[in-house]
Amino acid sequence: EAGVAQSPRYKIIEKRQSVAFWCNPISGHATLYWYQQILGQGPKLLIQFQNNGVVDDSQLPKDRFSAERLKGVDSTLKIQPAKLEDSAVYLCASSLPRTGDTEAFFGQGTRLTVV
Amino acid sequence: GQQVMQIPQYQHVQEGEDFTTYCNSSTTLSNIQWYKQRPGGHPVFLIQLVKSGEVKKQKRLTFQFGEAKKNSSLHITATQTTDVGTYFCAPRAGGSYIPTFGRGTSLIVHP
Repeated sequence: EAGVAQSPRYKIIEKRQSVAFWCNPISGHATLYWYQQILGQGPKLLIQFQNNGVVDDSQLPKDRFSAERLKGVDSTLKIQPAKLEDSAVYLCASSLPRTGDTEAFFGQGTRLTVV
Repeated sequence: GQQVMQIPQYQHVQEGEDFTTYCNSSTTLSNIQWYKQRPGGHPVFLIQLVKSGEVKKQKRLTFQFGEAKKNSSLHITATQTTDVGTYFCAPRAGGSYIPTFGRGTSLIVHP
């Protein structure tokens, strides 16, 4: 079974530039999550999708972050413009429908460095 | 809102010693999951606890869910160097499907 795919693995940008991350969840997983993990901290949920609808985006800085999940499969997370404090690993995860509390499968993550 | 505290933040042990990390919540939980993240890696699911007082074992790992469903622990017996990593609890409060992670406990095993 293929896992959660993310790209790119690494990205270095200057502050005020924009950047986009891509995620392909495990086939059949309706729930998709984007997490931000700052060095030394636990993953922080940014947004949760159920199919192509948003379940929760209360911690997404909407003035600069946006995310979409086209056709309920792949998802992209965008930052525009980036700030130094956005430097982190961005993790995508997927799981089966939330009606059962099932485990989340994580991708390898994208390490973003803003300089 | 839900407050989650995970202690300790770091733990150094000699190989063969035991290790325990605790996850404490200010609110009653519906369930709790545990994940392990190796250095440079991504979180990997270990277990989910649902019932009050539940105890589950995976080889040298023992997971417990408190009777009041407000705290949980992960105990590793006779640590090995392969146990190195950060262990996160991810509790879910009643009625919430929002998965939140604790700060994690980083385990360092010295050979």
